[in-house]
Amino acid sequence: GDSVTQMEGPVTLSEEAFLTINCTYTATGYPSLFWYVQYPGEGLQLLLKATKADDKGSNKGFEATYRKETTSFHLEKGSVQVSDSAVYFCALQDGNQFYFGTGTSLTVIP
Amino acid sequence: GAGVSQSPSNKVTEKGKDVELRCDPISGHTALYWYRQSLGQGLEFLIYFQGNSAPDKSGLPSDRFSAERTGGSVSTLTIQRTQQEDSAVYLCASSLASGANVLTFGAGSRLTVL
Repeated sequence: GDSVTQMEGPVTLSEEAFLTINCTYTATGYPSLFWYVQYPGEGLQLLLKATKADDKGSNKGFEATYRKETTSFHLEKGSVQVSDSAVYFCALQDGNQFYFGTGTSLTVIP
Repeated sequence: GAGVSQSPSNKVTEKGKDVELRCDPISGHTALYWYRQSLGQGLEFLIYFQGNSAPDKSGLPSDRFSAERTGGSVSTLTIQRTQQEDSAVYLCASSLASGANVLTFGAGSRLTVL
């Protein structure tokens, strides 16, 4: 069945450091891929998405590229800020179903 | 409404009691999902409603769990005879239509079973 595996945390970085959070997926069809972010005390919100192979999703300085050959959708940001501290979830949509990873907690220290 | 509203935000109950959790989706969103988020776990799918179609209940963990959606809008998740392992954050999400591929989540209802 479909599933998402993402890098375990927690991740702690200094401000302005480079961020990568790895995400790989297994799917029977041609899924859409997402990164959701959950800030402390808030619900999950969409960060970015890509709907087909080689698409790059981007938002707020974050990027992820849909790699069909490696079944990956790694999240990157060139220079993190303290305000990026949150839990990040990789997800895929296959038909009406969404499958989420376990989440990666990121803490950015000044 | 402006967003997905869930209530209560926090619920503490005793083992064996029944609880009801409410979700008010964004107006006009026909698809509604319930997920469970346990500590250190990903989001576990519970149930999916789409318009007037029969719900997809395949994720409900036991027959103590049920959900309904009245008038295609508000949904209630009911857990009967709660157990300690039911302690989790219950998340509701809605989207414009099936396959619309953007979910809007509520802030969740944190359930603690003592």
